[in-house]
Amino acid sequence: GAGVSQSPSNKVTEKGKDVELRCDPISGHTALYWYRQRLGQGLEFLIYFQGNSAPDKSGLPSDRFSAERTGESVSTLTIQRTQQEDSAVYLCASSLGLGPGELFFGEGSRLTVL
Amino acid sequence: GQQLNQSPQSMFIQEGEDVSMNCTSSSIFNTWLWYKQEPGEGPVLLIALYKAGELTSNGRLTAQFGITRKDSFLNISASIPSDVGIYFCAGQPLPLGGNNRKLIWGLGTSLAVNP
Repeated sequence: GAGVSQSPSNKVTEKGKDVELRCDPISGHTALYWYRQRLGQGLEFLIYFQGNSAPDKSGLPSDRFSAERTGESVSTLTIQRTQQEDSAVYLCASSLGLGPGELFFGEGSRLTVL
Repeated sequence: GQQLNQSPQSMFIQEGEDVSMNCTSSSIFNTWLWYKQEPGEGPVLLIALYKAGELTSNGRLTAQFGITRKDSFLNISASIPSDVGIYFCAGQPLPLGGNNRKLIWGLGTSLAVNP
């Protein structure tokens, strides 16, 4: 499709397990963002990629969180040793990189840690 | 982290009524954006504002970038049932920088429209 694609759409995991969330941005979009949205809350910035590099990782909540992007395309957000407080919707967005706000979001990956 | 003050938190209105919501910040913002999020979806950009005092319309939606650069409002006229959703404001704070692409988000205004 032409939009931002995220997978899985839903993930239920046990505390302590690792999870990987994937984002396929819109083709040609150089900027890619990961956000976390807890139930009933706004969006919490996690990390931003320009191309394959991440100039701003300041939002990653702990060293259990990491992300990479390859081929200026697909990005993976990895959460190691998941905790219950990691339960949230993880949203990916991409943009042409020309401005800070015209982001196109995917539908999100809902993570539930039991 | 830094957040915007968005109000009201929720609104329940009758179809046909006008709606107004706003966001304020204690610091100056360079850009204001308004997004709408429907259940199970990611936010969708409604209006982007880049200049203090700018007033922009998108159909029945109108948004303004406050003169002080510390606030913005969104108005929806003649609401319809499909306006239901959560409306978020977001802004890019100063100072600008090559890597300053982080948006600060409000907590959202949940809108319910009674047909």
